[in-house]
Amino acid sequence: EVQLVESGGGLVKPGGSLRLSCATSGFTFDTAWLSWIRQAPGKGLEWVGRINDKTEGEITDYAAPVRGRFTISRDDSKNTLYLQMNNLKTEDTALYYCTTGSHWGRGTRVTVSS
Amino acid sequence: SYELTQPPSLSVSPGQTARITCSGDALPKQYAYWYQQKPGQAPVLMIQKDSERPSGISERFSGSSSGTTVTLTISGVQAEDEADYYCQSADHTGDSVVFGGGTKLTVL
Repeated sequence: EVQLVESGGGLVKPGGSLRLSCATSGFTFDTAWLSWIRQAPGKGLEWVGRINDKTEGEITDYAAPVRGRFTISRDDSKNTLYLQMNNLKTEDTALYYCTTGSHWGRGTRVTVSS
Repeated sequence: SYELTQPPSLSVSPGQTARITCSGDALPKQYAYWYQQKPGQAPVLMIQKDSERPSGISERFSGSSSGTTVTLTISGVQAEDEADYYCQSADHTGDSVVFGGGTKLTVL
């Protein structure tokens, strides 16, 4: 069974940092392209960014609102995806999902507030 | 920045056919994906690569593409289909992924 479990969310002040993790199992992690998607309260889905696999160079792409502040990485030895979030803004408040596209975690909530 | 346009809402009666459209300039070049999201739940992939139905998805769900518009069709709508539906695709370069604004399907 494919599982993705996000963790690391919480309450942080504007300008602060958080590191989200996504622990996975049940599929071949090291060949998977993985994405982070977020959903602000009462709003739609928003793509945050993605990372491709090692054979493709682990290239990352980011949405404009987070480029330069967020960094996606992966540890194939741990089957885990990461999202480092720096200089957080109130508009980053959302439920953050990791996904392979066909499988999604349940999300971890990030609240940015003073 | 690139955008995908969906109608905000659609209402249908049980047993009818629902068609949800998604428009974007790059859709002739990039695949579209459709997700269903029910309140408090993670999205579920319903259609991939414009028209492929993943394993386990009801045959009542189908996808099609014509020019700059892709369509999710739900045949014989049931109460359980009431949800938000999102299309997803990429811009012309393929480097940026975009979601449509979502369509709230109400089953009357």
